[in-house]
Formats: sequence, C-alpha cells, structure tokens
Amino acid sequence: KQEVTQIPAALSVPEGENLVLNCSFTDSAIYNLQWFRQDPGKGLTSLLLIQSSQREQTSGRLNASLDKSSGRSTLYIAASQPGDSATYLCAVNTGSYQLTFGKGTKLSVIP
Amino acid sequence: DAMVIQNPRYQVTQFGKPVTLSCSQTLNHNVMYWYQQKSSQAPKLLFHYYDKDFNNEADTPDNFQSRRPNTSFCFLDIRSPGLGDTAMYLCATSFSPGPKALFGQGTRLTVV
Repeated sequence: KQEVTQIPAALSVPEGENLVLNCSFTDSAIYNLQWFRQDPGKGLTSLLLIQSSQREQTSGRLNASLDKSSGRSTLYIAASQPGDSATYLCAVNTGSYQLTFGKGTKLSVIP
Repeated sequence: DAMVIQNPRYQVTQFGKPVTLSCSQTLNHNVMYWYQQKSSQAPKLLFHYYDKDFNNEADTPDNFQSRRPNTSFCFLDIRSPGLGDTAMYLCATSFSPGPKALFGQGTRLTVV
C-alpha cells in the first residue's frame, strides 16, 4: 500500500528566504507526482506535475524534483513571500485512478 | 473558464439528516472523484466514476453514495451523517491516470 509522508508538518520562515519542502513515498511504481497548494478552508490548486520519466519541473519561483528510485520529491520555493503561506500537499498517482496524498506541510512566511 | 464547481461551499446538517453535495464540470472529463479531507489530514478517496462506471473504495462507509446522471454532474449523498463525517469534501476530475486532476473549491460539511 502506497504511503506518502511530508516533513516537516509545519514550517515558519521570514520573508525572502528560500525553502525546501520534502515528500517521500514508499512505492516507486508511480505514474506521476503532483504538488498542490491549499489555502485555509479551500480546495486544492495544482502547482506542478512531474511525470515518472521526468526529474524536475519549474513554474516561476517553484521548482519540484523527483527521485523515483529513492521515493523522494522536493518542492523548492525561492524568495518566499507572505502570499506563499498555505498548506502544501504532495500526491502520487499509481495509475489506479487514486491519488495518494501526504498530510501536507503548513507554511507560514513572516513579513 | 473551464472549471470544477462545488455547491454549496458550506453546509451544516443535523446528525442523521440526509445531505447531498454537488459537483459540476465544464471540461468534459470522463473521470470524476470524491475525496474526504478531515482537519489536518490527507485527502482520502471515497469513490470515482469513469464515465458511468462507479468505483467504490474498499473502506468507504456504506453511508456514502454517489450519483452521476451525466458527464457534467456528480453528487455525493450521505444518508445518515454522523459527527465523524464533519470534513471538507473535494471533487476532482481528470481524463485518465496521468494528466492533472483538477479540483474544485470543496464543500465544508459540519454535522451537528
């Protein structure tokens, strides 16, 4: 059974810092991995999707990497801003229509 | 804009009183999903439709049912909500495994 772990559960950084969020998964047989953002009381917004054959994806200040063999992904956020404050979830797709999510990392960027 | 719309955004229901949550999409995606997310927990898949084919997850309570009358709409019915069903309910759509799943804004259900 696929399990996804995100560490740390919460992170607080001063504005302007670069930061890394971590995601690990137990079964490397995945189709893709997604990073989502969730604002309080809201739904999920997809940030980046990495296919299993890819090593990384970039969008603006966000860069996600994938090491399928070791079961790890990281989300790098450059020059953090208060508007980046949210919970970030990673999810893996094993091809069975199900996304298996981690519990997320709650990020607070302090002005 | 093509999107996934969930109604209502917030719902308060009494213990044991049936409730229906709705999801609509304009993307013509053939797969629609319902996830349950309890406070500070990971979203958990309840079931999904691939076209008209309904797929229930093994540990989804019998209390939860779903209907998909057409491509655009999908409903989540909770027959007799318990206090433990208080959660955010998320609808998502996709073409198939692989491409992005697009999520709606969620319905926050509170059972009192």
